[in-house]
Amino acid sequence: EAGVVQSPRYKIIEKKQPVAFWCNPISGHNTLYWYLQNLGQGPELLIRYENEEAVDDSQLPKDRFSAERLKGVDSTLKIQPAELGDSAVYLCASSPGQGALSSYNEQFFGPGTRLTVL
Amino acid sequence: AQKVTQAQTEISVVEKEDVTLDCVYETRDTTYYLFWYKQPPSGELVFLIRRNSFDEQNEISGRYSWNFQKSTSSFNFTITASQVVDSAVYFCALSEAGGGADGLTFGKGTHLIIQP
Repeated sequence: EAGVVQSPRYKIIEKKQPVAFWCNPISGHNTLYWYLQNLGQGPELLIRYENEEAVDDSQLPKDRFSAERLKGVDSTLKIQPAELGDSAVYLCASSPGQGALSSYNEQFFGPGTRLTVL
Repeated sequence: AQKVTQAQTEISVVEKEDVTLDCVYETRDTTYYLFWYKQPPSGELVFLIRRNSFDEQNEISGRYSWNFQKSTSSFNFTITASQVVDSAVYFCALSEAGGGADGLTFGKGTHLIIQP
């Protein structure tokens, strides 16, 4: 079974440029997460989707970040414009089930996209 | 609000030594789930174990064992007879029941270095 796929693996851009990250979750997984991981820190949740609905985006900086999960499968996370402080690893994860089960089920993580903003 | 503390930033041991990674958590929920994940240099977090708040039974899986104690809000992870392949960053994480609105709350991780 294929795992969570993310692309690109690495991205280097200049500040004020836009950037987008793509995630393909494990087939059949209803719930999809985007996390931000700064160097030396644990991942922090940005947004959680159940199917195509964003059920928790309270940690997403909406002035510059946006996300979508069309058709409840693949998801894209966008930053526009990027700032120096956005340099980090962006992780996508998915899990089966939804609602109350989403707190119980293990999450399967992709390899992440390492973003460097110059 | 939920919080996970991993006080050990980095641990270095020689191969075959036993090592324990500490995890202390805070939550107001009576139902919650605790996890351990491993992050090797490749970057992909790998699930190791889940424990729910009603199950304090310790668990052993090969060289890995976990000690969950609600009285001290701790969920410690021990590797017996460590191997070089165990070198990674290990994260303890907490999820509160009720839809998992906050996703997983992770600690800052413990970087484990196993020297040959």
